Amino acid sequence: NAGVTQTPKFQVLKTGQSMTLQCAQDMNHEYMSWYRQDPGMGLRLIHYSVGAGITDQGEVPNGYNVSRSTTEDFPLRLLSAAPSQTSVYFCASRRQKNTEAFFGQGTRLTVV
Amino acid sequence: GESVGLHLPTLSVQEGDNSIINCAYSNSASDYFIWYKQESGKGPQFIIDIRSNMDKRQGQRVTVLLNKTVKHLSLQIAATQPGDSAVYFCAERPPGQNFVFGPGTRLSVLP
Repeated sequence: NAGVTQTPKFQVLKTGQSMTLQCAQDMNHEYMSWYRQDPGMGLRLIHYSVGAGITDQGEVPNGYNVSRSTTEDFPLRLLSAAPSQTSVYFCASRRQKNTEAFFGQGTRLTVV
Repeated sequence: GESVGLHLPTLSVQEGDNSIINCAYSNSASDYFIWYKQESGKGPQFIIDIRSNMDKRQGQRVTVLLNKTVKHLSLQIAATQPGDSAVYFCAERPPGQNFVFGPGTRLSVLP
């Protein structure tokens, strides 16, 4: 049981490039979400999903897309990277929306 | 004592002492709260939770206190150990909404 697995751990992008951050969980959790963590701020919700085929926007969705084709996977796509997207990104899963989150190890993204 | 770091407030305690980490939450209607621990370079980990119909909950070496009157949450760690050094943050859940996370407090355990 690996929990929540994120790849890659580190990434450097040039402005305008696109990429996908991968997230997979093996706990059969319905609820998954993506957060970004910036210095001095709490985790901010980017997008979330309450089950396969269902996604919704969080607090800071602009510049990001998600899809949820299976229960296990919830990739986050940066369409055209900007320096403002330099951050640490965390994927999380929950049994239900209103329970504790299990987080991945994070992806540190730098956009130059 | 407490000091303000570059980004996060920092609490420094002596090994073996008790630690008290505070969190002011924003929504008086929030009915569920969670404390997380985040070690350097890792993802946050669940420590303990409490629902709004309680004012205290105890775990192993940790206690969470909830004061709804002043919208305040605290995490007490007994006999603080070097492995407790991390950033601790609280999360509140307003009814019908997603969790809202606080910025956190860095706990530094001195030998």
